[in-house]
Amino acid sequence: EAQVTQNPRYLITVTGKKLTVTCSQNMNHEYMSWYRQDPGLGLRQIYYSMNVEVTDKGDVPEGYKVSRKEKRNFPLILESPSPNQTSLYFCASSLTLPGLAVNYEQYFGPGTRLTVT
Amino acid sequence: KQEVTQIPAALSVPEGENLVLNCSFTDSAIYNLQWFRQDPGKGLTSLLLIQSSQREQTSGRLNASLDKSSGRSTLYIAASQPGDSATYLCAVRPIGGSEKLVFGKGMKLTVNP
Repeated sequence: EAQVTQNPRYLITVTGKKLTVTCSQNMNHEYMSWYRQDPGLGLRQIYYSMNVEVTDKGDVPEGYKVSRKEKRNFPLILESPSPNQTSLYFCASSLTLPGLAVNYEQYFGPGTRLTVT
Repeated sequence: KQEVTQIPAALSVPEGENLVLNCSFTDSAIYNLQWFRQDPGKGLTSLLLIQSSQREQTSGRLNASLDKSSGRSTLYIAASQPGDSATYLCAVRPIGGSEKLVFGKGMKLTVNP
């Protein structure tokens, strides 16, 4: 089954304790990205990657890091989490960049609910 | 800067009604527009994708239209059911700039039996 998986699904942590949220897709997609969703603010892009070893900042990258060492994986790293990073996080992937495929579509993972106290 | 608006933010209707959900965007320079469904505490499920060159797409009881020049899209849901209750989001893929979807804040739909 084609899917994007995220782990963990729920995480409660304390300020300053480094954490990693994993994201993996089994569709051989080139493009992957991370979003956070907050009430009243909607979904905002954190980072994206157009291919292995190619990553770039989205709208709200502060406090986050990513890596893309393999095509299927795109982990999100919070080196020193703070309470304002409490949010619902989504990983997404798609086959190609926009405009290059007729049936381009983004697939989303189930989400990771992070609480930083 | 591209902005996507969905009005109203919430809608409650009785079962069986035909519904029109609205989405507007400020910049017509888009590759495509995508409608998603989000159930409480869950991820986003893609419903329909409309390329910028297309006018509409259909899937079952869902029909989405796109008027790029006026910056509008509508999602039509025929014969609504309680199982349609969810938050519906539209998102556009802008041409140029960073690679991302720009989302509306969503519309929470409740279909009452």
